[in-house]
Amino acid sequence: DGGITQSPKYLFRKEGQNVTLSCEQNLNHDAMYWYRQDPGQGLRLIYYSQIVNDFQKGDIAEGYSVSREKKESFPLTVTSAQKNPTAFYLCASSKGLAESTDTQYFGPGTRLTVL
Amino acid sequence: AQRVTQPEKLLSVFKGAPVELKCNYSYSGSPELFWYVQYSRQRLQLLLRHISRESIKGFTADLNKGETSFHLKKPFAQEEDSAMYYCALHPAGDYASGGSYIPTFGRGTSLIVHP
Repeated sequence: DGGITQSPKYLFRKEGQNVTLSCEQNLNHDAMYWYRQDPGQGLRLIYYSQIVNDFQKGDIAEGYSVSREKKESFPLTVTSAQKNPTAFYLCASSKGLAESTDTQYFGPGTRLTVL
Repeated sequence: AQRVTQPEKLLSVFKGAPVELKCNYSYSGSPELFWYVQYSRQRLQLLLRHISRESIKGFTADLNKGETSFHLKKPFAQEEDSAMYYCALHPAGDYASGGSYIPTFGRGTSLIVHP
C-alpha cells in the first residue's frame, strides 16, 4: 500500500510545542497538498506546492509551515501559534499544474492531539 | 470564487433502497466534478469523476450544468456503501489566466446503510 505515506499515524503534543508531520510520495507527482479534516467541516486546504522549492498558502495557513526541498517530500509543521491544532491531517498529491484536473491521491492521515 | 455544497451531513437508508447524495456547486468557468469516498479505517480515494462517465460500484453521477449539480446516485444501496462521501470541484484551465486551479471540497455526507 505505497504511493503516498504519512507518519506518524498518531501524534501527541503538549501545548507550546512545534511538531512536524511527514508526507512522502513515490508517484512522481509534482503537486502536493496538506488538508485538515474536522467533523462537519470537510477538507480545508492548509498549504500546497506545485513544484520543488515552491509552495503557497491555502485557506487556513496560519500557525502552519511547510517545506518542499525534495519532490517526494512535503512535511508540515504545526507551530505553537496554531490555536486549535487537534485534528486529522491529510496529505495528498496529484500530477501537477499541467494536469490541474487530475485525481488527488491521499495518504492515510495523521491524527494530532494536543494535550 | 468556487464553492461546493453538500446539504446533508448524514443520510441514513436501508439496504436495497435508492440513495442520492446531493452536491451543488458554484463556479463561473467549466468545472471538473469528482466524488471521493472514505470508508471506515481507509484512506480517502476517488470514487468517480464526471468526465469518465462511468459507473463505479453501482454509483453514477451526472453533471447538470443548468442546475449546477452533480448528485451521486445508486439504485440499490448495500451495507458496504456506508462511508463518508465528498464532492469536489476542480477548476479547469483557469490557471492559465491567473485563476485558481486548487480543488474545492464539500463538507461531506456520511452515508449509513442499515441491514
